[in-house]
Amino acid sequence: DAGITQSPRHKVTETGTPVTLRCHQTENHRYMYWYRQDPGHGLRLIHYSYGVKDTDKGEVSDGYSVSRSKTEDFLLTLESATSSQTSVYFCAISPTSGGNLAKNIQYFGAGTRLSVL
Amino acid sequence: DQQVKQNSPSLSVQEGRISILNCDYTNSMFDYFLWYKKYPAEGPTFLISISSIKDKNEDGRFTVFLNKSAKHLSLHIVPSQPGDSAVYFCAASATAGTALIFGKGTTLSVSS
Repeated sequence: DAGITQSPRHKVTETGTPVTLRCHQTENHRYMYWYRQDPGHGLRLIHYSYGVKDTDKGEVSDGYSVSRSKTEDFLLTLESATSSQTSVYFCAISPTSGGNLAKNIQYFGAGTRLSVL
Repeated sequence: DQQVKQNSPSLSVQEGRISILNCDYTNSMFDYFLWYKKYPAEGPTFLISISSIKDKNEDGRFTVFLNKSAKHLSLHIVPSQPGDSAVYFCAASATAGTALIFGKGTTLSVSS
């Protein structure tokens, strides 16, 4: 299994509070991603990072920010949580070595279940 | 507008038989296609992938077929086992290091 740890695994918070989710990897992969999964949807990309301090927006980035100060850590922050951000959040990593097919494989963490009340 | 579609929310199969999961896509820029399996309370696990220059890729009991002209791919599991019961996601990408675009998933139930 890819060395990806997400913390916390579960969190309940109140509307309007800030929340930070952490993704830690031990694979030294350059690319890291944050997705959310909701009923009736597949996984949708929130933000991704292609290196330290290099990040970009995904499909559903509104209300989220990210930071990557070290290769191994990618943080997702909800500045002011809303009920619509209740979801399961997955972090993923992908390698930059190997053939093109291998470089497209993303490996996922176990997820963080976030409830915003 | 969904770029990757899995039109069957669920599929039930008997142990030992073949499971066929289908996926359609609309974006002709997709060059890489992947299947993931997901158990409850776990993250998606990579199963098998294929690039657009191939029409078939096989790994043990799992085979993925790609029909590029029809923008259709399928995952065959032979023989199906009860442990294969999970949600299966089809995903696609245009290039490495960008988003995987996921379908909504198909729940496979394999009965013994």
